Amino acid sequence: TQLLEQSPQFLSIQEGENLTVYCNSSSVFSSLQWYRQEPGEGPVLLVTVVTGGEVKKLKRLTFQFGDARKDSSLHITAAQPGDTGLYLCAGVNAGGTSYGKLTFGQGTILTVHP
Amino acid sequence: DTEVTQTPKHLVMGMTNKKSLKCEQHMGHRAMYWYKQKAKKPPELMFVYSYEKLSINESVPSRFSPECPNSSLLNLHLHALQPEDSALYLCASSQFPGLAGGLITGELFFGEGSRLTVL
Repeated sequence: TQLLEQSPQFLSIQEGENLTVYCNSSSVFSSLQWYRQEPGEGPVLLVTVVTGGEVKKLKRLTFQFGDARKDSSLHITAAQPGDTGLYLCAGVNAGGTSYGKLTFGQGTILTVHP
Repeated sequence: DTEVTQTPKHLVMGMTNKKSLKCEQHMGHRAMYWYKQKAKKPPELMFVYSYEKLSINESVPSRFSPECPNSSLLNLHLHALQPEDSALYLCASSQFPGLAGGLITGELFFGEGSRLTVL
């Protein structure tokens, strides 16, 4: 089973602070997705990155895919209480016995205090 | 609003009950999924249906029985569950299944989930 290490597991910050969440693996992914899940809801797709070195921006969120397509990061600028939730990265495996399967990271629980 | 609809939102059942979870999508997606999620953990894949055929069963106990009546509907039949089966059950769909029933770049669209409590 290919693993996707996500860190940190928990993040508690004040409104206005910046933060970065990381997803790392020793395996190559053909694409990587970021989801946000609020309590009582299902995960909602934020972005998909496909090309090594790709950077995508979504308002205050910046997503980066590593050059070797083994890692990704999510950076949030000036966090707001509405950003609170569980952030999940998920990679589509590019080879091996898990080819084409989606692997989730362990998740980052973000709490932004007013 | 999510375009994947799950019912019921909450379900409480005893260990001898038989119940079903339902999922519906009208996006024309050809792959549908059941995931199980425990609190503050990532979703765990249970089943994948590709073009209405079961393509992946992640060694799920037989007390969970999936069914795909047509391309828009997905059911999960529950029988003789255990208290440890209590969890949020998520249905998801994607436009196309990838190779071996997995994904290439297809994003998942999740429903809001059914919160199951087994007493």
